[in-house]
Amino acid sequence: EIVMTQSPATLSVSPGERATLSCRASQSVSSNLAWYQHKPGQAPRLLIYGASSRAPGISPRFSGSGSGTEFTLTISSLQSEDFAVYYCQQYNNWPPMYTFGQGTKLEI
Amino acid sequence: QVQLAQSGAEVKKPGASVKISCKASGYTFDSYGISWVRQAPGQGLEWMGWINTYNGNTNYAQKFQGRVAMTRDTLTSTAYMELRSLRSDDTAVYYCARDRLVVIMPLILDSWGQGTLVTVSS
Repeated sequence: EIVMTQSPATLSVSPGERATLSCRASQSVSSNLAWYQHKPGQAPRLLIYGASSRAPGISPRFSGSGSGTEFTLTISSLQSEDFAVYYCQQYNNWPPMYTFGQGTKLEI
Repeated sequence: QVQLAQSGAEVKKPGASVKISCKASGYTFDSYGISWVRQAPGQGLEWMGWINTYNGNTNYAQKFQGRVAMTRDTLTSTAYMELRSLRSDDTAVYYCARDRLVVIMPLILDSWGQGTLVTVSS
């Protein structure tokens, strides 16, 4: 099983600043990496797929980078609605066999 | 617009089974797969498995093998997830999400249901 490790577990950032979240895979997943935003009481929302492609309707303040085993989600100019938990997910296998990271809580 | 409407909350006793439905609208149901993901209280997201809605093929996370069954009804555009032999640590919110049907499709888990709370308690 591919293990996804996110860091840090919690990130404290002020509105208007930039946040950088990291995700590491235990083996190469090429660019088969997605990021999700999850707020309490809501369904998760796809932000990034293919490591760096924004999902439809996602603000350009969200950007993803990386390939292989190291990935980064960057959120520029943080706004109040961005404070949430963020998960990375690998989808390198077919048929699907996915794993999520444990999440990074982005707090004010 | 794409919508996935899940069935309501359930309370079950240990050892029982639960079956959750996920009704799709706003797109061609059997042109996309469906994955199921759960979140236990205070925990992260956990992928449970996937169903090819076109032919019914499934792939389950090893953790749930033998205890989960994912099915679909193409006439009603509804996917189902049944989990058997429930334990207290199966208490969680269960989500369905639209997924790829074939590997070349780019988007993954791009639309989600609202979630179904399953509580397992004696």
